[in-house]
Amino acid sequence: AQTVTQSQPEMSVQEAETVTLSCTYDTSESNYYLFWYKQPPSRQMILVIRQEAYKQQNATENRFSVNFQKAAKSFSLKISDSQLGDTAMYFCALSGGSNYKLTFGKGTLLTVNP
Amino acid sequence: DTAVSQTPKYLVTQMGNDKSIKCEQNLGHDTMYWYKQDSKKFLKIMFSYNNKELIINETVPNRFSPKSPDKAHLNLHINSLELGDSAVYFCASSRGTGGQETQYFGPGTRLLVL
Repeated sequence: AQTVTQSQPEMSVQEAETVTLSCTYDTSESNYYLFWYKQPPSRQMILVIRQEAYKQQNATENRFSVNFQKAAKSFSLKISDSQLGDTAMYFCALSGGSNYKLTFGKGTLLTVNP
Repeated sequence: DTAVSQTPKYLVTQMGNDKSIKCEQNLGHDTMYWYKQDSKKFLKIMFSYNNKELIINETVPNRFSPKSPDKAHLNLHINSLELGDSAVYFCASSRGTGGQETQYFGPGTRLLVL
């Protein structure tokens, strides 16, 4: 069974500052994939970033980067230079190489304050 | 052009009614999914189809019946609606069934059962 845990139900950050959202996971798969999705108030689920577990290099997408610690089963998301448009629910998700079901965490509601 | 579209976006209905939600993707993907997001924002997979064949069927009441007329469409029919069915339902698609495939989500359908 796969599990994903996001321990921070809510966070807030000032515009232009940096914030890190936490995610830990558990899986029996040797090869797996990790994702961060963003859900703004519009409700649309938007892929932010993905990481292949076999890659040691942390994924980055513009202002978004991850800190992937495989041994600790940790996959945190760092948002630099936070913008008002980053206000959203952020979901960490996991799929295994042989288990293509996406398992989601419970989400972290991030509010960016002006 | 919307990649994954759902209709309707909002659905308000009475207990006991039957309703359908439609989903279409124009990405040329082989695999489609239905997810349910409850009032606490928790996302859980319900069904998945690959090339019109059912490949994932989570423990969902048999009042829910997915139908895939072709690989670009996956509809969800719900019989005898109950109050607990109120949720946001998301359709998603991916290129294939492997865990490495990124899933792309539709805008969601908010269902309210009165």
